[in-house]
Amino acid sequence: AQSVAQPEDQVNVAEGNPLTVKCTYSVSGNPYLFWYVQYPNRGLQFLLKYITGDNLVKGSYGFEAEFNKSQTSFHLKKPSALVSDSALYFCAVRDKGYKLSFGAGTTVTVRA
Amino acid sequence: EAQVTQNPRYLITVTGKKLTVTCSQNMNHEYMSWYRQDPGLGLRQIYYSMNVEVTDKGDVPEGYKVSRKEKRNFPLILESPSPNQTSLYFCASSLTQGRGYTFGSGTRLTVV
Repeated sequence: AQSVAQPEDQVNVAEGNPLTVKCTYSVSGNPYLFWYVQYPNRGLQFLLKYITGDNLVKGSYGFEAEFNKSQTSFHLKKPSALVSDSALYFCAVRDKGYKLSFGAGTTVTVRA
Repeated sequence: EAQVTQNPRYLITVTGKKLTVTCSQNMNHEYMSWYRQDPGLGLRQIYYSMNVEVTDKGDVPEGYKVSRKEKRNFPLILESPSPNQTSLYFCASSLTQGRGYTFGSGTRLTVV
């Protein structure tokens, strides 16, 4: 069965500092990996995905993620965080089927 | 505008009173799914549908029903709601397995 782990419930950074949100996954076969962001009282917004190809994936709002097959990780990164990046972030994995499994989420707080 | 529309956004009901949460997408997506979001648990899949008249259980299907009579609609039915079904519900759709999901804005359900 596929699964996703987000080891940190919360991540706190100062504005302008690098931001990293960690994600590890378990799936049989090649994974499809996704990051979503949820702002308060809103639905989930797609940030980026890894299907195949380059291990470094670039997405919306200046975010990027690095796929590491040997460590089964897909960490989300942003070189310089903004206060407006404060939100709940979800990592998700999809195997050859259609099921998308989510991690528990990481709350990011960027302080001014 | 391409979107997934859920209604209602907020709903308070009493235990045992049947209710339906509607979901409609205008993107001609084959795949649709329902998730519930609970603090610390992330999003858990309730039911999914790979096409018209094809539905299957997700991870937490107990107490829920769905139907897929038309491609665009995928209603979630709670025949006899209970307080443990108080949650934030999301409908999502996808064109193919390699694509990200498009999520609705969510329905916050409270069962008293």
